[in-house]
Amino acid sequence: DVKVTQSSRYLVKRTGEKVFLECVQDMDHENMFWYRQDPGLGLRLIYFSYDVKMKEKGDIPEGYSVSREKKERFSLILESASTNQTSMYLCASKTGGETQYFGPGTRLLVL
Amino acid sequence: KQEVTQIPAALSVPEGENLVLNCSFTDSAIYNLQWFRQDPGKGLTSLLLIQSSQREQTSGRLNASLDKSSGRSTLYIAASQPGDSATYLCAGMEYGNKLVFGAGTILRVKS
Repeated sequence: DVKVTQSSRYLVKRTGEKVFLECVQDMDHENMFWYRQDPGLGLRLIYFSYDVKMKEKGDIPEGYSVSREKKERFSLILESASTNQTSMYLCASKTGGETQYFGPGTRLLVL
Repeated sequence: KQEVTQIPAALSVPEGENLVLNCSFTDSAIYNLQWFRQDPGKGLTSLLLIQSSQREQTSGRLNASLDKSSGRSTLYIAASQPGDSATYLCAGMEYGNKLVFGAGTILRVKS
């Protein structure tokens, strides 16, 4: 069975903290993605990666960075968390022409 | 820039009804069109994927159609059940494996 896991379901951080969100997939997929989901705005792509050590900016990369040192792991980093980064963060992976497989999401609250 | 719109934003129907969810996209240069389901507080589950060369896909009580020339897709749910209650999202895949999502339709099936 396909599995994408995210390190935390819920996270509370303070403004200015550095935040790491981890995503791991066990399907040997080349492509991995980070989205944020906000009411009324749908899912928006932050960053994606099509191979180890490769990364591409999505539609809203500002305030975020990513790391992909191993094929199965894709990390999203908030260098200095701000309140407008409070959101639901979703990770996904895919290979070839298949659909994207999503993790359960991390609900982040920045105070 | 691709924009995906879903109508209606919310829908409430009695159990047993057949229903149609609509999705429109502005750029016909998509590789495929996908429909996902999202339960509250959870990640996304893929329902159907229609390649750009296809007109429709079926899975059980679900049927999705794609008309690239008019920039539209529909998701038909037959004989709706309370367990179908969820948010349904459509997404068009662009060059580079990027998915552009609509804001979703919140479906409630009343028993």
